[in-house]
Formats: sequence, structure tokens, C-alpha cells
Amino acid sequence: DIQMTQSPSSLSASVGDRVTFTCQASQGIRNSLGWYQQKPGKAPKRLINAASAFQSGVPSRFSGSGFGTEFTLTINSLQPEDSATYYCLQYNSYPLTFGQGTRLEIK
Amino acid sequence: EVQLLESGGGLVQPGGSLRLSCAASGFTFSGHSMSWVRQAPGKGLEWVSVIGVGGVPTFYADSVRGRFTISRDDSKDTLFLLMETLRVEDTALYFCARGSQAAGGFDYWGQGTLVTVSS
Repeated sequence: DIQMTQSPSSLSASVGDRVTFTCQASQGIRNSLGWYQQKPGKAPKRLINAASAFQSGVPSRFSGSGFGTEFTLTINSLQPEDSATYYCLQYNSYPLTFGQGTRLEIK
Repeated sequence: EVQLLESGGGLVQPGGSLRLSCAASGFTFSGHSMSWVRQAPGKGLEWVSVIGVGGVPTFYADSVRGRFTISRDDSKDTLFLLMETLRVEDTALYFCARGSQAAGGFDYWGQGTLVTVSS
């Protein structure tokens, strides 16, 4: 199985900051990676697919990059509504696997 | 508007069974692969199972293989998950999601149905 490791596990930042999350795959997954945002009590929402492809309706301050084993999600100009847990998902092969998540707190 | 509505969760004793349903609307259900993803209380997301268009193929996480069965009824736009020999560690919020490996992950999710396995 492909293991996905996210870092950091939690992060605290201020409105207007730029933050970057990292997701590392235990083996190469090409660009078969998505980023999901989950707010408490809600279903996850896909932000990015194919490592860097925007999803319709997602603010442009969210961006993704990476290929192979190293991937990043960047949020420019943090907003209060960005407080959430962020997960990466590899879909290169079954079983599909998520990272353990990064909890983002807005100060 | 795409909607996925799960039902069937509840409290069940260890070793018991439960069948979850996911009613889909707003898209051509028969043309999409569908998955179940779960989240234990306070924990992260875990993919559980997928079913392809027409009912094939099906894949399962190691943690549920041999105990859970995914199926679909395209005439009723409904996805199912039959869960048998339930364990305490199966306690989770179960989400229905549209998508699969070939589809590039999951683009729409339901709100989930809670399964609690406890004596």
C-alpha cells in the first residue's frame, strides 16, 4: 500500500499569511494526488486534483504543485474561513490512501 | 445539483450487521463509479470500498475485505454497503462519494451516516 505522510500535523497562522502544507508519498504516484478541505461536522471538499488542477468554485488563493513523491498545497493570503483540516489523497493505485491531515488554525 | 444522501447508520453490537444506503440525484448515477469513505470519531479519512460502472470492478480496503460488500441499484440511483461481522473499530461516520481511482478521486460527497459498534 502507498503511505501518505503530511506535515505539519497542525499549523497556526494569521489572516493574510501564506502557508504551505506538504504531502509525501511512500512511492511515486506521478501526479495522482488531490487535496481536500474538511471543516468540523462537514463532508470533505476537493480543492485541487491532479496535483495542481483547480476545482471549479475554489478560491484562487489555493494552489498545488508536485510530482512523484513530494507535493505541496499553498494558501496565499489566509482568510478566516480557511480554518479547517486539509487532507491529501493518492489515487495512483488501490487501496486509495489519505494522509493523516493537517489542522490549520487561524489566529 | 448533485446530491448524495446516506442512511442506514445506527447502533449495532459487535458481530452484528448493518446495510447503508446512499441515494443519488442530480447526475447520471449509472455512469459513475462510487465509493464509501469513513472517518472514525476525531480521526482522519479512510477509503473503504469502490464499485465501478455496471457493478464492476469492486475493491475493498484490507480492513473490511471479506466483511463488507458494496453494491449498486442503477434503477433506483442507490449505492449500498452491507457491513457484516462488525467490530468496535468500524465505528465511524460513513460517507458516500462519487469517484474512484480512474475518476481521479472524489468530486462530490454526502454528509455521512454514523455507525456505532458497541455492546
